[in-house]
Amino acid sequence: RKEVEQDPGPFNVPEGATVAFNCTYSNSASQSFFWYRQDCRKEPKLLMSVYSSGNEDGRFTAQLNRASQYISLLIRDSKLSDSATYLCVVNPVSGSARQLTFGSGTQLTVLP
Amino acid sequence: ETGVTQTPRHLVMGMTNKKSLKCEQHLGHNAMYWYKQSAKKPLELMFVYNFKEQTENNSVPSRFSPECPNSSHLFLHLHTLQPEDSALYLCASSPQGGNTEAFFGQGTRLTVV
Repeated sequence: RKEVEQDPGPFNVPEGATVAFNCTYSNSASQSFFWYRQDCRKEPKLLMSVYSSGNEDGRFTAQLNRASQYISLLIRDSKLSDSATYLCVVNPVSGSARQLTFGSGTQLTVLP
Repeated sequence: ETGVTQTPRHLVMGMTNKKSLKCEQHLGHNAMYWYKQSAKKPLELMFVYNFKEQTENNSVPSRFSPECPNSSHLFLHLHTLQPEDSALYLCASSPQGGNTEAFFGQGTRLTVV
């Protein structure tokens, strides 16, 4: 089983749609969770951290379910500029970024 | 605008060449990393440096040789590479402590011919 698994997609959605991505992780001791965004031929950039209580940043909502070992990202009112690959990232070691484990990414295309 | 800068952005090299990738960060971070991203594959961690000391080598072949002269600079020396080594090589840095995320450079797209 992969340490971090994501549905690769692609997800093709119309502008204004709501889309959700899930990600599962295998290490139950994982401490920190992130969603990164990677545009085509660019470097990954942090989109948001994921907290136990769930957190929201504008149109983006992240949730963590420790019991089922998955995290989710919800994007409301999709924009064309949201088109990118979304990377689920898990860190099993608190206080250290050296164990960051990346999922393969979920590709999103928002269509006009 | 990224605080992590990588050069060159693109590199084409033959299998007998020797080249080096450079990474520089001005974020005051103490940890630096090399990642490899191949097509359709997740990012693979290659090397980790904390306070200039290598703390992790993720079973990387010896044809890749990292160097960290100080906490702001990181190099990846390449020699006798194979075509399957063609990929995007990303440098990242992070502060020590806390639930830290990594900040990435723009990457070097390497093609081995």
